[in-house]
Amino acid sequence: SQQGEEDPQALSIQEGENATMNCSYKTSINNLQWYRQNSGRGLVHLILIRSNEREKHSGRLRVTLDTSKKSSSLLITASRAADTASYFCATAPWMYSGGGADGLTFGKGTHLIIQP
Amino acid sequence: DGGITQSPKYLFRKEGQNVTLSCEQNLNHDAMYWYRQDPGQGLRLIYYSQIVNDFQKGDIAEGYSVSREKKESFPLTVTSAQKNPTAFYLCASSIDRQGLVRTEAFFGQGTRLTVV
Repeated sequence: SQQGEEDPQALSIQEGENATMNCSYKTSINNLQWYRQNSGRGLVHLILIRSNEREKHSGRLRVTLDTSKKSSSLLITASRAADTASYFCATAPWMYSGGGADGLTFGKGTHLIIQP
Repeated sequence: DGGITQSPKYLFRKEGQNVTLSCEQNLNHDAMYWYRQDPGQGLRLIYYSQIVNDFQKGDIAEGYSVSREKKESFPLTVTSAQKNPTAFYLCASSIDRQGLVRTEAFFGQGTRLTVV
């Protein structure tokens, strides 16, 4: 079952604009992570935000977390053509169930296209 | 350089054949994971291993098998019992299973398996 759901599924913007993508989840989490995937490649970790944090920054990335709404957003400022990729949120459970297929649960991703 | 290496990048299999995908890491990570990714979908967990000689089924383990004889290596065998094996397979590792939750996962570049 998928925990995180990204929105929108696809986003196309002009270079230099800001890109915002959202992630909603269903159950309590320990943390939420954002990953990036270039076409046909592996995932690269971008940022992790813990359940007791509300906002986190890393370079041009800004992540917010609202645990009351069970949602997170990833903002990429001053987008570049090289930011074209798929972006996934992944949620980590608050408690391990032990012996089960727990761990990170990934959404379907937002495909971001930056037009030059 | 430290990292996680998957091979081959592309793999073609005839129906009824077993194939083995390689995953090697030199990050000294205890935990390793196999995910499957279908077009437009998120990642689904196949198997994971917390320590040498131990592994657990994920959400979609049927038709797959793994071994963990060495800390560095976690090969995945796609057996003829897997009904729809054509997909992109991603291997990942983390410091430990708890580390997957607390920090981040490191991914290989993936193997694209096609059944012909």
